[in-house]
Amino acid sequence: QVQLVESGGGLVKPGGSLRLSCAASGFRLSDYYMTWIRQAPGKGLEWVSYITNSGNSMNYADSVKGRFIISRDNAKNLVYLQMDSLRAEDTAMYYCTREGRDCINTSCYESWGQGTLVTVSS
Amino acid sequence: QSVLTQPPSVSGAPGQRVTISCTGSSSNIGAGYHVHWYQQLPGTAPKLLIFGYTNRPSGVPDRFSGSKSGTSASLAISGLQAEDEADYHCQSYDTRLSAWVFGGGTKLTVL
Repeated sequence: QVQLVESGGGLVKPGGSLRLSCAASGFRLSDYYMTWIRQAPGKGLEWVSYITNSGNSMNYADSVKGRFIISRDNAKNLVYLQMDSLRAEDTAMYYCTREGRDCINTSCYESWGQGTLVTVSS
Repeated sequence: QSVLTQPPSVSGAPGQRVTISCTGSSSNIGAGYHVHWYQQLPGTAPKLLIFGYTNRPSGVPDRFSGSKSGTSASLAISGLQAEDEADYHCQSYDTRLSAWVFGGGTKLTVL
């Protein structure tokens, strides 16, 4: 079955960097757009970034543009989120998601990982 | 302040029906972008519950239904069960922000 497993979260100081990884299994990664979504403690969900199935195109929320980079390695079944210049407001659970093919009009997220927690604090 | 507005909380007794609203604007729901709903049980990742306003993924009980009216969408849950106690999030796309957007989430309490 579809499985997404995030890793790489942890405690980092403001201005620091982290690289999150998402290991995908149970499906052909190269067939799907992938998206990172985050949730600050006690808050709602926030779309962060997506990458097309080939990796040729990406998009970012304004809140992370210029600081985060999404990438993928379809041969290794991995999706990454490189996070630089981290701020306190980046503290959140980060979820790796697979886009749903049935959602043609507007992207939806049909599979989610368990999340990896990023805490930015001095 | 979320682009899509949801009530912070709703509640109902077992067996009752509750609805959760998701109010948008002309730059998202009013622009023709679909709304999807997610259920987030305590301490777990969200799960896709309804897509394209009214469609249920395989395995989602038909007690859950969605609808649209103007620049708003609604999620209805009938025959409330204790296991439905969760946070519910709506999601769409916003052309003004050029971003996929979520509501602030609604906490459902089963009394």
